[in-house]
Amino acid sequence: NAGVTQTPKFRILKIGQSMTLQCAQDMNHNYMYWYRQDPGMGLKLIYYSVGAGITDKGEVPNGYNVSRSTTEDFPLRLELAAPSQTSVYFCASRAAGLGVEAFFGQGTRLTVV
Amino acid sequence: QKEVEQNSGPLSVPEGAIASLNCTYSDRGSQSFFWYRQYSGKSPELIMFIYSNGDKEDGRFTAQLNKASQYVSLLIRDSQPSDSATYLCAGGTSYGKLTFGQGTILTVHP
Repeated sequence: NAGVTQTPKFRILKIGQSMTLQCAQDMNHNYMYWYRQDPGMGLKLIYYSVGAGITDKGEVPNGYNVSRSTTEDFPLRLELAAPSQTSVYFCASRAAGLGVEAFFGQGTRLTVV
Repeated sequence: QKEVEQNSGPLSVPEGAIASLNCTYSDRGSQSFFWYRQYSGKSPELIMFIYSNGDKEDGRFTAQLNKASQYVSLLIRDSQPSDSATYLCAGGTSYGKLTFGQGTILTVHP
């Protein structure tokens, strides 16, 4: 069982470039999330989705976009990359319900230079 | 802003001792609380969650929740060097969104 799969694992972008971080889960979870983690800090929510076609902003959405056309996939788009977007990005998914575990992908380490 | 604050670290304990990790939260709408362990360069992995006042035990781990004081804690008994990691406290809100604390680095030395 693959769980949550993120690609790529590492990426270096130049300022102003764009890219898409891919996230796929095979657990049929309705809820999916994108978090970023800056060095020495906790995770901050960028965007989340409660099902195909439904997305909403989290705490730090500026500079990012998402889409959710299927239950399995939840890509994160970075437009016009900036050094402030240098971070580790985690995708997560979970089933609905109270106290349900969220499963995290292995992360994408992004550096913007 | 809804926040989760963890006690300042890093925390260093000898092998076999009890490690105590603490967390306070400001959002009374948070219904459940999670403790994640994160090894360097890895993704967070769930240790425990709790949503009722009181204690919840799982092996060497005990989570405590006091909603009146808005306080969550994690006790690790018989600490092992393999417990050395960053521990993240998170509050769960609507749609399973998590608000994380900044993490506490725990080192267990032999």
